[in-house]
Amino acid sequence: DAGVTQSPTHLIKTRGQHVTLRCSPISGHKSVSWYQQVLGQGPQFIFQYYEKEERGRGNFPDRFSARQFPNYSSELNVNALLLGDSALYLCASSRGRAGETQYFGPGTRLLVL
Amino acid sequence: QQQVKQSPQSLIVQKGGISIINCAYENTAFDYFPWYQQFPGKGPALLIAIRPDVSEKKEGRFTISFNKSAKQFSLHIMDSQPGDSATYFCAASMVDSSYKLIFGSGTRLLVRP
Repeated sequence: DAGVTQSPTHLIKTRGQHVTLRCSPISGHKSVSWYQQVLGQGPQFIFQYYEKEERGRGNFPDRFSARQFPNYSSELNVNALLLGDSALYLCASSRGRAGETQYFGPGTRLLVL
Repeated sequence: QQQVKQSPQSLIVQKGGISIINCAYENTAFDYFPWYQQFPGKGPALLIAIRPDVSEKKEGRFTISFNKSAKQFSLHIMDSQPGDSATYFCAASMVDSSYKLIFGSGTRLLVRP
């Protein structure tokens, strides 16, 4: 079975632009979570979506938004990019909302200049 | 109270030696403690996980030791191999009511041949 896939793998943007990152969960998984991993740190939780509804949100500004589609894939959108948004953005999928192992994708490396 | 503190930041071990990484938490509501392994350019991969109803869990060369009273848990890698060289993250969550993983800051392990 294919694992979690994310696109694009790398992205370069300038300050003020917006970006859309995409994630396809493992087949049969209904939950997608997004994490931000700044270089040298552990991943930080941004959002969780389950059955197309937002179920949780981390301590991130409103510039960050996400959605989940009927096929359970997900998009993470970041508006008005700042230099500090440069990070590896990870998507994780799991079968249910909670109590399930989360499987991570390879991430999208975003560089904001 | 949501933090998970991880040490050491980096670790160098000779091939065949034992690697030990420690984590501590404050929130007694945490009841799921996974360890993830991350290679450069890749997403975190689940290595092994433990619930607080057991004090130790072993899978191959990897063992988690859990001390509920001290609110500490550790990862032991026996017979460490150069292929184990990676960054290791501990994490914690409330498995039945939550969705987000709280990660430690990571330990960069180098196993010398």
